[in-house]
Amino acid sequence: DTGVSQNPRHKITKRGQNVTFRCDPISEHNRLYWYRQTLGQGPEFLTYFQNEAQLEKSRLLSDRFSAERPKGSFSTLEIQRTEQGDSAMYLCASSLIGISEETQYFGPGTRLLVL
Amino acid sequence: SQQGEEDPQALSIQEGENATMNCSYKTSINNLQWYRQNSGRGLVHLILIRSNEREKHSGRLRVTLDTSKKSSSLLITASRAADTASYFCATDARGAQKLVFGQGTRLTINP
Repeated sequence: DTGVSQNPRHKITKRGQNVTFRCDPISEHNRLYWYRQTLGQGPEFLTYFQNEAQLEKSRLLSDRFSAERPKGSFSTLEIQRTEQGDSAMYLCASSLIGISEETQYFGPGTRLLVL
Repeated sequence: SQQGEEDPQALSIQEGENATMNCSYKTSINNLQWYRQNSGRGLVHLILIRSNEREKHSGRLRVTLDTSKKSSSLLITASRAADTASYFCATDARGAQKLVFGQGTRLTINP
């Protein structure tokens, strides 16, 4: 257990529905990242926050995706009008920027299946 | 797109043997990290090596980094069945905060 939690762990939805995932980072960590991982591939970066500011978004993050971190603590990732291609594992990670090396600690992931 | 490539894509060895996995990347980096992922689970951080380091050890793990060749290797000594997992290298390019992962090496330790 890295200290990063994600909910739900699994989500099955029908195409066209909206889904929302939550990530709770390690409490003192100021950076929070979202990645997506498809079967047999490594994780791919989606977006990251420093405190409550969203500082970078990947081109993978289409208009149907939105992420928030309203109080600089937990974060949500919402996918609107889901498509079958959205089926993947969504991983959250957190880190603490500072004077030493920056390790990203990952949560267990939310596995999404769009039918 | 993936930054690097792991080699081999799959590796199967007997318990007690050493396992070596390689990673190549494309851009200049700050750090290179290795992660382990058990099937269907999240990633567990194993070790980080900075761009100005050449070798690092942690328990049964040994990581090397050759920035001139843009490559790294992960050696697991005296392998155990519990080491069965996928192993990923990840780099953070200079000026960037995100990690860029390779496709991973699937390691199987046979008892």
